[in-house]
Amino acid sequence: NAGVMQNPRHLVRRRGQEARLRCSPMKGHSHVYWYRQLPEEGLKFMVYLQKENIIDESGMPKERFSAEFPKEGPSILRIQQVVRGDSAAYFCASSPPSGAPGELFFGEGSRLTVL
Amino acid sequence: GENVEQHPSTLSVQEGDSAVIKCTYSDSASNYFPWYKQELGKRPQLIIDIRSNVGEKKDQRIAVTLNKTAKHFSLHITETQPEDSAVYFCARGDSSYKLIFGSGTRLLVRP
Repeated sequence: NAGVMQNPRHLVRRRGQEARLRCSPMKGHSHVYWYRQLPEEGLKFMVYLQKENIIDESGMPKERFSAEFPKEGPSILRIQQVVRGDSAAYFCASSPPSGAPGELFFGEGSRLTVL
Repeated sequence: GENVEQHPSTLSVQEGDSAVIKCTYSDSASNYFPWYKQELGKRPQLIIDIRSNVGEKKDQRIAVTLNKTAKHFSLHITETQPEDSAVYFCARGDSSYKLIFGSGTRLLVRP
């Protein structure tokens, strides 16, 4: 059973460009979460999605950031008009449908560098 | 609020000694408390977790204790080894399913 797959692992963008990060959850997992980790800092919650639904986007910046988890295909985190402060590791995690909170399984992360 | 406070931010111990990391929370709806280990450049991985109906859980050299009244929980690592060196994150969860993480503790085990 493959783990959570993220790509690209490394992405370099110039200021003003768009960054698109992809995440395929583990097989059988219907919940996807995105976290941002700045250098030497903790994991900050961004958004929680289920198929075709954004459940909680309380951690998403109000501008330039969007996320989706379509019926078919991976979850996408999109950052428009990137700025240097967007440079970070973006981790995706997934969990199975469950009646209680439980373990999140993390991918290896996508490391965005904005020049 | 939903934040989690984690202390200390860095911890250096001699190999073989014990390490203790403590977290506090304020949201009484919290009912799930996992601990993750993150090695440099790697993904966070669950090492142990505890639910609110249990006060203590142990797995070999690792244990977690929970005090729901005081709203704090702790990670205990005994007989530390150099390979325990990493960043450790506590987190809290509730019926919203998302996890809110502490700021992390960088543990260094000196050989």
